[in-house]
Amino acid sequence: ILNVEQSPQSLHVQEGDSTNFTCSFPSSNFYALHWYRWETAKSPEALFVMTLNGDEKKKGRISATLNTKEGYSYLYIKGSQPEDSATYLCAFTGASGTYKYIFGTGTRLKVLA
Amino acid sequence: DTGVSQDPRHKITKRGQNVTFRCDPISEHNRLYWYRQTLGQGPEFLTYFQNEAQLEKSRLLSDRFSAERPKGSFSTLEIQHTEQGDSAMYLCASRLQGGGSPLHFGNGTRLTVT
Repeated sequence: ILNVEQSPQSLHVQEGDSTNFTCSFPSSNFYALHWYRWETAKSPEALFVMTLNGDEKKKGRISATLNTKEGYSYLYIKGSQPEDSATYLCAFTGASGTYKYIFGTGTRLKVLA
Repeated sequence: DTGVSQDPRHKITKRGQNVTFRCDPISEHNRLYWYRQTLGQGPEFLTYFQNEAQLEKSRLLSDRFSAERPKGSFSTLEIQHTEQGDSAMYLCASRLQGGGSPLHFGNGTRLTVT
């Protein structure tokens, strides 16, 4: 059974704080790691797709890093804003012919104004 | 790109009834997925289509669940003899061919079984 874990489960930060979350995934048979943002009453939206060990991706104030050898990815938000409040999901895809995207349980972020 | 659409948005049904949900993927996407999400959990994989072929189905799914994608375009997910434990958000997603391409999700169908 493939396990994708995210921590923390939830957190509250003040506007302007920087924060980061962790996604842990199997280090063997890796193909890609995805990050999604899921705002209330909307559909999950893709943030990043990461495939190479050492990858770093950035979109505005949000960035992500990838370590496939040890099986983790970090998502960073710099200068959090209330509109960043959402659930952040990571999903793992393996290389061995399965088509599943296996999701973690998510990190629920609340940014307080 | 009109996005992935799902219908209905909400469904309330009594235990034992059958329900069917529809998903219309982005037109050029030949990969289609169904996921189920319950409170406090991430999306749980249910099944996957490549064009009209159902290539993978979760072992967690009982025989009460069936999905089709008859012409490789829209898909339906049917749950027979619903149980209270089926109450969840059912998400559909589609993607382009190509390993690692991102999923594009619909807004989901929230099912409540009373």
